[in-house]
Amino acid sequence: QVQLVQSGTEVKEPGASVKVSCKASGYSFMANCLHWVRQAPGRGPEWMAWMCPYRVETFSANQFEGRLSLSSDRSADTAYMEMSGLTSDDTAVYFCARGSGSYDWRRLDYWGQGTLVTVSS
Amino acid sequence: DIHLTQSPSFLSASVGDRVTITCRASQGIGSALVWYQQKPGMAPKLLIFAASTLHSGVPSRFSGSGSGTEFTLTISSLQPEDFATYYCEQFNTYPATFGQGTKVEIK
Repeated sequence: QVQLVQSGTEVKEPGASVKVSCKASGYSFMANCLHWVRQAPGRGPEWMAWMCPYRVETFSANQFEGRLSLSSDRSADTAYMEMSGLTSDDTAVYFCARGSGSYDWRRLDYWGQGTLVTVSS
Repeated sequence: DIHLTQSPSFLSASVGDRVTITCRASQGIGSALVWYQQKPGMAPKLLIFAASTLHSGVPSRFSGSGSGTEFTLTISSLQPEDFATYYCEQFNTYPATFGQGTKVEIK
């Protein structure tokens, strides 16, 4: 079955960077793009970016430009999301999710369990 | 960015009730609308995509409709496990955006 397993809880100081991993199994890692979504405490989800391992292409929402880096290790079926310049506003649960479909049929059909990132001094 | 507005933000209902949630887009998005269910401490779970296509394994009491700027999610007979928060998401134009959510609670 499709599974996305993320790395564990992180606590970071303001200004630091964080790197979250997302290991995929149960499907061909190269066949789907992976999306990153975050959810601040008590808030709705916020879409951040996508990365497609098969064409080494990424796209990020404007607000994350310059401090978000997406990568993958195809030999380990693992995607990574690294964010720099953390502030308290970045405190959230970060999810990876598998993208499927195209055009009007796009959706996020499988999600990781989430990684809590707390930014605090 | 395309803005999605859900209504209501909160609703109180009983087991067996028919429930309808609306999602309005700030501009036309065709049928590129997805519905998720989220329970506390869990990741969102896909219910419906392309406005009206039921994801595999999702009970048939869930249905979606709409196109353009107005969409609805209907639960025909609310079950105890359906008490959760529901979000719409548009994939017509990146960045994808979510609605603010509708929390369905037990009356």
